[in-house]
Amino acid sequence: EPEVTQTPSHQVTQMGQEVILRCVPISNHLYFYWYRQILGQKVEFLVSFYNNEISEKSEIFDDQFSVERPDGSNFTLKIRSTKLEDSAMYFCASSEAPRQGGGYTFGSGTRLTVV
Amino acid sequence: SQQGEEDPQALSIQEGENATMNCSYKTSINNLQWYRQNSGRGLVHLILIRSNEREKHSGRLRVTLDTSKKSSSLLITASRAADTASYFCATDPSGANSKLTFGKGITLSVRP
Repeated sequence: EPEVTQTPSHQVTQMGQEVILRCVPISNHLYFYWYRQILGQKVEFLVSFYNNEISEKSEIFDDQFSVERPDGSNFTLKIRSTKLEDSAMYFCASSEAPRQGGGYTFGSGTRLTVV
Repeated sequence: SQQGEEDPQALSIQEGENATMNCSYKTSINNLQWYRQNSGRGLVHLILIRSNEREKHSGRLRVTLDTSKKSSSLLITASRAADTASYFCATDPSGANSKLTFGKGITLSVRP
């Protein structure tokens, strides 16, 4: 069964450093998303991406965050200057048709720890 | 309650019993989805029910949606130890773009 692949699975970074989280969505999917889950809290929407541009972003997705689909297969989330409160599990998701029966396919996540 | 609020927060049942989990939400939706998450892993899509649907089945799963009460329920029949996981409802709002708002989740433990 096709999977959404995220790398790395764990990332530890120092506060103020830039991190890039990588995702390979399912190949025929057109809609891409990033969500995050702070330990013990809800999964939160960050950003949606379609047709090579951001469709919608949440208030969490400030100027420190950016997304890119650099080469037609990868979908990246960059955090320019990490803060302690950015520590969370980051999930990438993709969908062929998000409002049809299949919903979203999520990756296994990248656990980001900012120290 | 907040958007996508599940209850109970935790549920412990014996293998073979049915598990019922509830979700309430506040805003108008395009669809509601249920996901499962094993500890430390990603979210697995279980089922999607559209706002104009009232009930949907998939294998041992039965989902209902009552838009007048803004509530949904997920029933897992004949539970198995392997069903032990966290279960989340997620609402996809009316509007142009799909984006999910998740609840805090329900921890289901199925005792063998």
